[in-house]
Amino acid sequence: DAGVIQSPRHEVTEMGQEVTLRCKPISGHDYLFWYRQTMMRGLELLIYFNNNVPIDDSGMPEDRFSAKMPNASFSTLKIQPSEPRDSAVYFCASSLLWPRQPQHFGDGTRLSIL
Amino acid sequence: AQKVTQAQTEISVVEKEDVTLDCVYETRDTTYYLFWYKQPPSGELVFLIRRNSFDEQNEISGRYSWNFQKSTSSFNFTITASQVVDSAVYFCALQTDSWGKFQFGAGTQVVVTP
Repeated sequence: DAGVIQSPRHEVTEMGQEVTLRCKPISGHDYLFWYRQTMMRGLELLIYFNNNVPIDDSGMPEDRFSAKMPNASFSTLKIQPSEPRDSAVYFCASSLLWPRQPQHFGDGTRLSIL
Repeated sequence: AQKVTQAQTEISVVEKEDVTLDCVYETRDTTYYLFWYKQPPSGELVFLIRRNSFDEQNEISGRYSWNFQKSTSSFNFTITASQVVDSAVYFCALQTDSWGKFQFGAGTQVVVTP
């Protein structure tokens, strides 16, 4: 069975550019989560969706960050404009009946903003 | 407020030694869920185990075992007869049933040398 699929795996871009990270959750899962991982802050929850509806976006650092889930099989996380401090690994995870079932993570997108 | 503490930053062992990773949590909720995830050097996050607050049974899965003790708010993880492939960062995490954020500990780096 396919797991959570994230793209791209790596992204290097210049400061000020728009960055779009993509996620395809496991089919049938009703929860989708976006995380950021840095050495300084560890794993931080940015936002999560239930049945395509954003439930808690309090972890989104600034207005430069936005996330959408137009349908049950696709989500995007956008950063516009990007800054060097946004450099991190971004993970997407999905779950069925969270928290009664675990979250399953994608392989992450390693983002570097120059 | 909920909190997860993994006091051990790094543990180094020689292959075949046992290693125990400590996890102490704080929550006022009576219903909650505890998790362990493994992050190998390749970077992905791999789900290992989930426990709910009403199930204090210890669990063994191959060389892995977990000791859940509500009296001390601990959910410790032991790797028996460690192998080089066990080298990874291990995260303990907590989710309460009251829409709190999924809280990860800081992680414990396990280094197993031949």
